[in-house]
Amino acid sequence: TQLLEQSPQFLSIQEGENLTVYCNSSSVFSSLQWYRQEPGEGPVLLVTVVTGGEVKKLKRLTFQFGDARKDSSLHITAAQPGDTGLYLCAGAMSWGKLQFGAGTQVVVTP
Amino acid sequence: GAGVSQSPRYKVAKRGQDVALRCDPISGHVSLFWYQQALGQGPEFLTYFQNEAQLDKSGLPSDRFFAERPEGSVSTLKIQRTQQEDSAVYLCASSDQGADYGYTFGSGTRLTVV
Repeated sequence: TQLLEQSPQFLSIQEGENLTVYCNSSSVFSSLQWYRQEPGEGPVLLVTVVTGGEVKKLKRLTFQFGDARKDSSLHITAAQPGDTGLYLCAGAMSWGKLQFGAGTQVVVTP
Repeated sequence: GAGVSQSPRYKVAKRGQDVALRCDPISGHVSLFWYQQALGQGPEFLTYFQNEAQLDKSGLPSDRFFAERPEGSVSTLKIQRTQQEDSAVYLCASSDQGADYGYTFGSGTRLTVV
């Protein structure tokens, strides 16, 4: 059961285009994390956002945490084929458990 | 080691067979988690250890699933009498600073029950 709703489920874009992935929940989390997972590998942490309204930038990736700490978005500028992967959002519960969304599969074609 | 190591990477089991999946967390990491990931889905929580203590096993699907971490480092997830619905990728993750700092995941074990 996924308590975090991610949208869209699948996104296919051309190299150089921008994209946004959304993560929404009715629950409040102590932090929200984004991971990227490639085939045959485990998820790799991209960023953790803790404060409501927080915005973090990592090169071409921008992460936002909603004011109420229930939702988040990931924006990629000028996508590259290396950005292809399954993007997962995860909310941290109080004692350490992460609740994951179902993921958004992003495909960037040259 | 530098990362979380899981073995085997792939396991094919006949229905009814018992399997054991191993996880070597990052040295010194207190927290260890097991997740199950079905094809096309996000990981689902199975169980959590802090050192050798299993603090939450609420995600284990049935009493056929058992996990242990006897010395607070290596962990083993055991599945008895495997069923086809157990086919999935089993991911192990460890952390030393609490969930808000993120986990480090292993590459997983892909279990296929035939």
